[in-house]
Amino acid sequence: GDSVTQMEGPVTLSEEAFLTINCTYTATGYPSLFWYVQYPGEGLQLLLKATKADDKGSNKGFEATYRKETTSFHLEKGSVQVSDSAVYFCALEAYSGAGSYQLTFGKGTKLSVIP
Amino acid sequence: DTGVSQDPRHKITKRGQNVTFRCDPISEHNRLYWYRQTLGQGPEFLTYFQNEAQLEKSRLLSDRFSAERPKGSFSTLEIQRTEQGDSAMYLCASGSVGTYYNEQFFGPGTRLTVL
Repeated sequence: GDSVTQMEGPVTLSEEAFLTINCTYTATGYPSLFWYVQYPGEGLQLLLKATKADDKGSNKGFEATYRKETTSFHLEKGSVQVSDSAVYFCALEAYSGAGSYQLTFGKGTKLSVIP
Repeated sequence: DTGVSQDPRHKITKRGQNVTFRCDPISEHNRLYWYRQTLGQGPEFLTYFQNEAQLEKSRLLSDRFSAERPKGSFSTLEIQRTEQGDSAMYLCASGSVGTYYNEQFFGPGTRLTVL
């Protein structure tokens, strides 16, 4: 079945440091790929997405490129801020064949940014 | 706010009791998903509705779990004879079909604690 493997945390960075969170996936077909973010005490929010190979998703300074050849979708940000502290989830969406486009998530990576 | 809402936000119950959660999706969305998230893990798919029809159920959804979506509007998830292993965050998401993907919008979740 489909699966997502992402870098285990927690990750602690100083403000303005460069961030990379690795994500690789296994899927049949051609899934769409997502990064979701969960801020403390809040629900899951879509951060960025890519729907086909070589697409680059971007939002709030975060970027991720859909690499079909390496089955990866690594999340990057050039300069993190304290407000980026959250749990980040990589996910893929694939049509199940029974009518649903269910999401398969990684385990999440907790990021803490210190001033 | 016209986002996805869930009620209650927190539920504490004793083992063996029945519990019911409610999800109100974004009004124009015809797709509704339930996920379960345990501590330190990403959300896992439970079940999917398109309008009022339940089209898919995960193997995680044992016969103690039942979900409904009468009239294709709000949805309920009931757990009978709760067990301590049912303690988790139960997430609801709604969505509509996009051009290339199906974006899902998540509610804040219901945190269940089974004593």
